[in-house]
Amino acid sequence: AQTVTQSQPEMSVQEAETVTLSCTYDTSENNYYLFWYKQPPSRQMILVIRQEAYKQQNATENRFSVNFQKAAKSFSLKISDSQLGDTAMYFCAFSGGSNYKLTFGKGTLLTVNP
Amino acid sequence: GAGVSQSPSNKVTEKGKDVELRCDPISGHTALYWYRQSLGQGLEFLIYFQGNSAPDKSGLPSDRFSAERTGGSVSTLTIQRTQQEDSAVYLCASSAAVTGYEQYFGPGTRLTVT
Repeated sequence: AQTVTQSQPEMSVQEAETVTLSCTYDTSENNYYLFWYKQPPSRQMILVIRQEAYKQQNATENRFSVNFQKAAKSFSLKISDSQLGDTAMYFCAFSGGSNYKLTFGKGTLLTVNP
Repeated sequence: GAGVSQSPSNKVTEKGKDVELRCDPISGHTALYWYRQSLGQGLEFLIYFQGNSAPDKSGLPSDRFSAERTGGSVSTLTIQRTQQEDSAVYLCASSAAVTGYEQYFGPGTRLTVT
């Protein structure tokens, strides 16, 4: 069974600064995918970024980038130039196995302060 | 195009009543997933559909929970004889395929059992 651990229940950052959210996972699968999802107070889960485990290159999406360390089973999210709209709960998720269901971490509540 | 929709948005029911939650996936998406989000348990997988078949029902918490999908599209999650511990947000997600594709989430149904 897969497990996903997010060790930071809450974080805060000043607007325009950079913040890194941590995530570690455990799996015996060789082929898998990792995701970061964002859930603002509206409750809508929004995909932020996706990483294929077989790719060594770290994924980037505009201000969002990941540091994927496969051997260490670490998958952190860096948010650059933080904006007030980035305030949300962020979930790290693992997808693999026979049905690729998502296994989520407990989440990190990120607050961006003006 | 249209995203994943769920209805109702909120549902309040009395203990012991049956409820039905509906999910309309993105058109053409063959994979459909149900998850439950609660304060105590975080985000949990419930069931996965590929087309109209449910190869993995391992996350359903009891035999009071059932789900079906018809026409490879709409899915209904039914909870019989609701209990207070069933109170949670029920999220539906769909994906274009199983292997590693992004799952797109609906806005969820908040179920409150009184």
